[in-house]
Amino acid sequence: NAGVTQTPKFQVLKTGQSMTLQCAQDMNHNSMYWYRQDPGMGLRLIYYSASEGTTDKGEVPNGYNVSRLNKREFSLRLESAAPSQTSVYFCASRDRGLPTNEKLFFGSGTQLSVL
Amino acid sequence: AQTVTQSQPEMSVQEAETVTLSCTYDTSESDYYLFWYKQPPSRQMILVIRQEAYKQQNATENRFSVNFQKAAKSFSLKISDSQLGDAAMYFCAYLTQGGSEKLVFGKGTKLTVNP
Repeated sequence: NAGVTQTPKFQVLKTGQSMTLQCAQDMNHNSMYWYRQDPGMGLRLIYYSASEGTTDKGEVPNGYNVSRLNKREFSLRLESAAPSQTSVYFCASRDRGLPTNEKLFFGSGTQLSVL
Repeated sequence: AQTVTQSQPEMSVQEAETVTLSCTYDTSESDYYLFWYKQPPSRQMILVIRQEAYKQQNATENRFSVNFQKAAKSFSLKISDSQLGDAAMYFCAYLTQGGSEKLVFGKGTKLTVNP
């Protein structure tokens, strides 16, 4: 199993450019998440999806859009990148099975720099 | 809105000693999960321990244990017999239940283990 796969691992953008961060999981999980991690700020929830076809805003959704294309994939789009969006982005997925099987899986992260 | 607070940005402990990391949270819900995650410099997120809110018994995983005080909304992590490999960022996290699937993290505590 590959688990949670994020692409790209690194990206440099100029202010105003757009890009999509891709995330895919092969564990048949219902719930998927996008976080950003900044020094001293911990992990902040951008958007999440409890099931295919549904998405909800998290703590810091402004400047981002998401698509839950199918059960496997959950993409994050920056329409017009700003320097404030320089961060490390993590995708995660969760198994909503029995409580004893509760697990959260993270991707390896995307380092994004906006110049 | 659910919030998670980690009041200790940094902590240090001597090898083989015990250290406790603090976490408090704010919620009006009665059913939820709590987690502690470890993030080493590799940025990988590693589940340390989890607690179901409906369980009164504190969770334990080898050298890691929690002190879960539901009424006080407190969820501290105790690391016994600290090892050099325990040095990392530690994040406390809260997961809503009942379909929302919202998962939020605290800002983290950087743990240093001194030889």
